[in-house]
Amino acid sequence: GIQVEQSPPDLILQEGANSTLRCNFSDSVNNLQWFHQNPWGQLINLFYIPSGTKQNGRLSATTVATERYSLLYISSSQTTDSGVYFCAVIAGTYKYIFGTGTRLKVLA
Amino acid sequence: GAVVSQHPSRVICKSGTSVKIECRSLDFQATTMFWYRQFPKQSLMLMATSNEGSKATYEQGVEKDKFLINHASLTLSTLTVTSAHPEDSSFYICSAAPSRGQVINEQFFGPGTRLTVL
Repeated sequence: GIQVEQSPPDLILQEGANSTLRCNFSDSVNNLQWFHQNPWGQLINLFYIPSGTKQNGRLSATTVATERYSLLYISSSQTTDSGVYFCAVIAGTYKYIFGTGTRLKVLA
Repeated sequence: GAVVSQHPSRVICKSGTSVKIECRSLDFQATTMFWYRQFPKQSLMLMATSNEGSKATYEQGVEKDKFLINHASLTLSTLTVTSAHPEDSSFYICSAAPSRGQVINEQFFGPGTRLTVL
């Protein structure tokens, strides 16, 4: 089956710093979403982005489907950005396959 | 819009008892709902797909007699962990996909239920 790898696995930032999170997938996908899981476990939809670029405030995402990767950019990070970031893909079927996650900690 | 709730948010039970978790789509209809399990510091793993009015589809390695799923309406799916044991302790998350014909795009996730079996 399709493999979804995220990097880096762990990231520590000082407040105000920028970062780029990467999601690589091993096969063509129909859909891709980025999520933020907060410290209480809630998954928050960030972007639905099977291709192209989207921006929402300090966050933006780019998916290059032909090269099988997606990037999530976080600018001017805040402590509330801490948590785990997941990408999830749908390839062929309707089932999401979640990536390995990036655990982010933003220090004040 | 696109809000999904779960109840309870946290449950502690004794080994051998059964626990029911509810997943509701509050402001949209969901033909399909999904149940995931997440162990500490790990990713989400799909357990089963719940279709309104039909039997659930379970992923390989998930015991259907242990994890009973009922999707009785377009806004409610339930997961019952039967005869729970400590190894069933986990974070259970549901998601719902808005009904748009046969196409499933975005999924919207509930806040999760933390199950602890003593």
